[in-house]
Parts: sequence; C-alpha cells; structure tokens
Amino acid sequence: EAGVAQSPRYKIIEKRQSVAFWCNPISGHATLYWYQQILGQGPKLLIQFQNNGVVDDSQLPKDRFSAERLKGVDSTLKIQPAKLEDSAVYLCAGGGLAKNIQYFGAGTRLSVL
Amino acid sequence: AQSVAQPEDQVNVAEGNPLTVKCTYSVSGNPYLFWYVQYPNRGLQFLLKYITGDNLVKGSYGFEAEFNKSQTSFHLKKPSALVSDSALYFCAVRAPKLSFGAGTTVTVRA
Repeated sequence: EAGVAQSPRYKIIEKRQSVAFWCNPISGHATLYWYQQILGQGPKLLIQFQNNGVVDDSQLPKDRFSAERLKGVDSTLKIQPAKLEDSAVYLCAGGGLAKNIQYFGAGTRLSVL
Repeated sequence: AQSVAQPEDQVNVAEGNPLTVKCTYSVSGNPYLFWYVQYPNRGLQFLLKYITGDNLVKGSYGFEAEFNKSQTSFHLKKPSALVSDSALYFCAVRAPKLSFGAGTTVTVRA
C-alpha cells in the first residue's frame, strides 16, 4: 500500500510570508494528525482530525496556523504569517484508532529566514 | 498531565553488543506506550507498543521493550545491535493524545 504523502519536502520562506503544506494519508485512515517537530525535540501534536472534523486543536496557534480536511481525505496546514520560531519539520500522520498505530509521512522541513 | 522522559540524549554501542534505550513516563491511569524510530530525512516508523498483557513486548527488527509499572518505565532493548540500527528513537505515551519524548540518538559503531 502507498504510504503517507507530504509535499513539499522542503520550503524556505521569509518571516511574515505565508506557507502551506499538503498531506494525503494512507487510504482508509480516518484519523489524520499534524505534528510540529523542532530540532532536538520530539514531535508535538498540532491538530487531529477524525474524517473531516477536528478532534483536538488545543496546541494549534490559531492566530497564525490553520488546517482543513474538507473531504475527509487529504489535508492542508497553513501558516500565515510565519515567524522565525516556526522553523521545524511538519509531520503528517494517519491511523486507525483500533490499532493505536500512527503512520507518518516524511515531513516538510520549513526554514523561516 | 502526561509526560515522557528519555534521560539519555545519546547512546553509543559497538555492533553485536546489547542496546538499551531508556524511557520513563508519567500518566494517569493505564498507559498506552510506544516506540518509534526515525531515520534521517524520514518520517517516524512504528517499532512496538504496549497496551495490556505481557510486560515484555516484541516488535520490529528484533527490538523488544519491557513495561515496568512500579518503575514507570518502558525501556527499549535489542540483544545484538547492528550498524543499521543507528537512528533517532522516540518513546511516546498515549493518554489520550500521543506525547513524545525528546528522543535518543543511537549510534552503533562497526
């Protein structure tokens, strides 16, 4: 089966610019997660979707970050405007709750200059 | 509040020697515990999990982990390490969302 697809793999922007990341999880995975992984730290959950509904966005900086999963399949995470501290790898993961396993994409490495 | 601690930033072992990566956790109730591995420029890959049952859990690539409730630990082990095991290892606890430790870099020298 195909894995979790993420694009782009790398993105370099200047502060105050906007950026968007795309994720397509494994077919059939109703749950989708976006994580932020800052260098030297473990991934931190930003938002969790169940189909096209938000389950948990308590750690999403909503003044600048937004995410959507309109059709319950692929998802987009946006940052507007970006800050220097947003430099990180943004990981997308999908999974079925029954198996308690999350399948991760390779991530998008964002550098904000 | 749930938390995970990986007390060692780095672990260095010689190929063929036993490998242990330490993890302790803090969570209310029964923990769901996981180990993931991350290779350079790759996403995290699931290694193994503890939900309930036998305290010794076997996973992918010859790894195993031992759940110790009294010590609130979930150490990852491999009896004989390979150079290809060199990677970044994350312990995680789910209660209910997944919280990761900071990671331990494992280097296995030939």
